[in-house]
Amino acid sequence: DADVTQTPRNRITKTGKRIMLECSQTKGHDRMYWYRQDPGLGLRLIYYSFDVKDINKGEISDGYSVSRQAQAKFSLSLESAIPNQTALYFCATSDEGTEGYGYTFGSGTRLTVV
Amino acid sequence: AQSVTQLDSQVPVFEEAPVELRCNYSSSVSVYLFWYVQYPNQGLQLLLKYLSGSTLVKGINGFEAEFNKSQTSFHLRKPSVHISDTAEYFCAVTEEPNDYKLSFGAGTTVTVRA
Repeated sequence: DADVTQTPRNRITKTGKRIMLECSQTKGHDRMYWYRQDPGLGLRLIYYSFDVKDINKGEISDGYSVSRQAQAKFSLSLESAIPNQTALYFCATSDEGTEGYGYTFGSGTRLTVV
Repeated sequence: AQSVTQLDSQVPVFEEAPVELRCNYSSSVSVYLFWYVQYPNQGLQLLLKYLSGSTLVKGINGFEAEFNKSQTSFHLRKPSVHISDTAEYFCAVTEEPNDYKLSFGAGTTVTVRA
């Protein structure tokens, strides 16, 4: 099994629909992140969480919300999807020190809003 | 705040030729620097990282990068590329030891031709 698992891998949804992207990890890391990737823009941080009770907005959080259900689970929701949220979404985890600031990324969720 | 500029969006290169991908960052404090690779339809994989110590960092698959503090650069090099190196490469930076938020460049697409 992958260290960081994202579901679904691909999703097409209609404008205005609510959608949830899920992420689970077996790394035992406290820190989890959601990024979106757009061509020519690299990856931009949406939300991050340092533990179950600590959730923070990233640089592009508008239109998104998150839930940290447990140390191992971090979900991203689009309350009312719009076409410019079409992107590749990555979940990531990181460790505080034993891996020297190593991030582990999931395989991504490709979301298309039509 | 930190930011990352990857100076080339596309780099075509012939097989067995050398390649250099340029990355500059801006930050007012000490930084940690990373290069990630994304193969087609896959997630991100860490190539190498600079945390401290020697400014020449060696990574996986024959890649290396040199940290130059005075020029605020972290260029990635490989002396001889293979077809399998065709991928998108991202430079990333995090500013503070306890911050852990990675800021990414826009990416450089490397296409290796026979």
